[in-house]
Amino acid sequence: GQNIDQPTEMTATEGAIVQINCTYQTSGFNGLFWYQQHAGEAPTFLSYNVLDGLEEKGRFSSFLSRSKGYSYLLLKELQMKDSASYLCAALDSNYQLIWGAGTKLIIKP
Amino acid sequence: NAGVTQTPKFRVLKTGQSMTLLCAQDMNHEYMYWYRQDPGMGLRLIHYSVGEGTTAKGEVPDGYNVSRLKKQNFLLGLESAAPSQTSVYFCASSRPGSDTGELFFGEGSRLTVL
Repeated sequence: GQNIDQPTEMTATEGAIVQINCTYQTSGFNGLFWYQQHAGEAPTFLSYNVLDGLEEKGRFSSFLSRSKGYSYLLLKELQMKDSASYLCAALDSNYQLIWGAGTKLIIKP
Repeated sequence: NAGVTQTPKFRVLKTGQSMTLLCAQDMNHEYMYWYRQDPGMGLRLIHYSVGEGTTAKGEVPDGYNVSRLKKQNFLLGLESAAPSQTSVYFCASSRPGSDTGELFFGEGSRLTVL
């Protein structure tokens, strides 16, 4: 079956760095997506990786290893507004998104 | 530019009642989706459409119907609501192509079935 695993909850300190891991098993693979979802709001797109390596976008970076079925989202210089759930999703061979349950990130001052 | 708009935002139904959720997008996207989101679970695809006049079943289609009569609109219907359909429903749209997983979501519709 197809599956996405990511930690349920993580806690970090304002100003620090946090890495949210995601492992995936899908029928074929056409890319890995990260979304941010604040409580009570809709998910918003953060990043897309289809090739191995690191993609940097400001304070956020996303890494992909296709051979290991692994990705991580790295958040630097954490701010209180980064408190949210982070959703990992993989695009399978039929271009269907398979979603993880999300990682709730709690930022403490 | 409104993006993706869902109506209504909130609704309370009694078991057995019917209702329709409306989704409208103004980005000329081909693909549209209806998801439900429940605590502790990932987004689950109910139905989707790859173009005007076409619809297809997703992961959890039972108890729901959809229609895509116009490219910009995607309707989700509940014929006979059940408490198990209490959830937050999100509509989304995307372009076809290698980055088709970049979805644009509506604000969500919170449905409670008593």
